[in-house]
Amino acid sequence: ETGVTQSPTHLIKTRGQQVTLRCSSQSGHNTVSWYQQALGQGPQFIFQYYREEENGRGNFPPRFSGLQFPNYSSELNVNALELDDSALYLCASSLKQVNTGELFFGEGSRLTVL
Amino acid sequence: AQSVTQPDIHITVSEGASLELRCNYSYGATPYLFWYVQSPGQGLQLLLKYFSGDTLVQGIKGFEAEFKRSQSSFNLRKPSVHWSDAAEYFCAVGARAAGNKLTFGGGTRVLVKP
Repeated sequence: ETGVTQSPTHLIKTRGQQVTLRCSSQSGHNTVSWYQQALGQGPQFIFQYYREEENGRGNFPPRFSGLQFPNYSSELNVNALELDDSALYLCASSLKQVNTGELFFGEGSRLTVL
Repeated sequence: AQSVTQPDIHITVSEGASLELRCNYSYGATPYLFWYVQSPGQGLQLLLKYFSGDTLVQGIKGFEAEFKRSQSSFNLRKPSVHWSDAAEYFCAVGARAAGNKLTFGGGTRVLVKP
């Protein structure tokens, strides 16, 4: 069974740039969620994708967007980067049908915005 | 709205001693409750979960947690801590109505003294 994998593991961007983060879900999982974890804080829900459509969104501006592909992998895109976007971005996969909130997390992509 | 409070930001415990981490939640209906552990630079690993039924749940690595509805609490315990338990611990709440969105607490960092 393949776990959740994310890429890149680390990256540095400057303010105003755009970034794309990638996630491959765990084998058999059809739902992908993205979380932002700022330094010293708990993860915050960004959004969730199911059947290639956004299926729930947290309190994040529209410059945070995503995609889910037919193989259930996903991308998180952030436009017009701000310093406060510096964080660990976590991808989590799950089974929609289960709908219990039990998530399986990847190791994250650490984004630094200068 | 859901919320989770972990009152203790840091806890230091001696190896072999017992550990208890506090978690209080706010949610109108019956919640799904989780404890996750995060080692430095890593993603989140699920320790245990509560959906319904027996209020004392057992998890991996010798951890257990007790759901107390009257106190809106879901405290995590381990009878004897090992040095490898040094990590950050997050309590999270979810609900069927919220799909697979989790709300996390701010975390408790556990340090283990030899």
